Amino acid sequence: NAGVTQTPKFRILKIGQSMTLQCTQDMNHNYMYWYRQDPGMGLKLIYYSVGAGITDKGEVPNGYNVSRSTTEDFPLRLELAAPSQTSVYFCASSEQSKRAFFGQGTRLTVV
Amino acid sequence: GQQLNQSPQSMFIQEGEDVSMNCTSSSIFNTWLWYKQDPGEGPVLLIALYKAGELTSNGRLTAQFGITRKDSFLNISASIPSDVGIYFCAVGGRSNFGNEKLTFGTGTRLTIIP
Repeated sequence: NAGVTQTPKFRILKIGQSMTLQCTQDMNHNYMYWYRQDPGMGLKLIYYSVGAGITDKGEVPNGYNVSRSTTEDFPLRLELAAPSQTSVYFCASSEQSKRAFFGQGTRLTVV
Repeated sequence: GQQLNQSPQSMFIQEGEDVSMNCTSSSIFNTWLWYKQDPGEGPVLLIALYKAGELTSNGRLTAQFGITRKDSFLNISASIPSDVGIYFCAVGGRSNFGNEKLTFGTGTRLTIIP
């Protein structure tokens, strides 16, 4: 039972570098989400998608981009990494918004 | 945007004590969810509530969907060490596409004192 798989688990980036956080789910869920969690804080929605080709901004989208070309995959792109993007990133998916399943997170440090 | 207020922010209790935490909003929601996050892991759904006034239990956990649809509480009875973690409430809010997306509260961090 793979569920929601995020890669990588850890990453250190230099300021100005770019990277893509990968997320894939095998539950055929239409809804997918990207959240960030700063130390000691709750989850803030970055972007979400309600199906292939349909995405929308969440609370904190600046500095990020997403795409949803397939039902399974929902990558999150950081174009110019900044220290403020140091955080733990969680991807989630759900058949509808009511029961979201989360990945184990990607811990990103920007130095 | 939608804002959920969870209280308390943190709790320090002894093993065996009961725990109560709540979540309030200025807006009405039709879905209230409670998640738990263990250290280093993603959140996991504990209880889902879909009807105002609904009271639902899951083992030692009990959650209620407030009658006004603006609040919910979660109780944990007879706490044990594995209850340690962060508890989040979440609501299903309306997205720009007319369907729902999840918004999470700020979390309640539960610590058990030996």
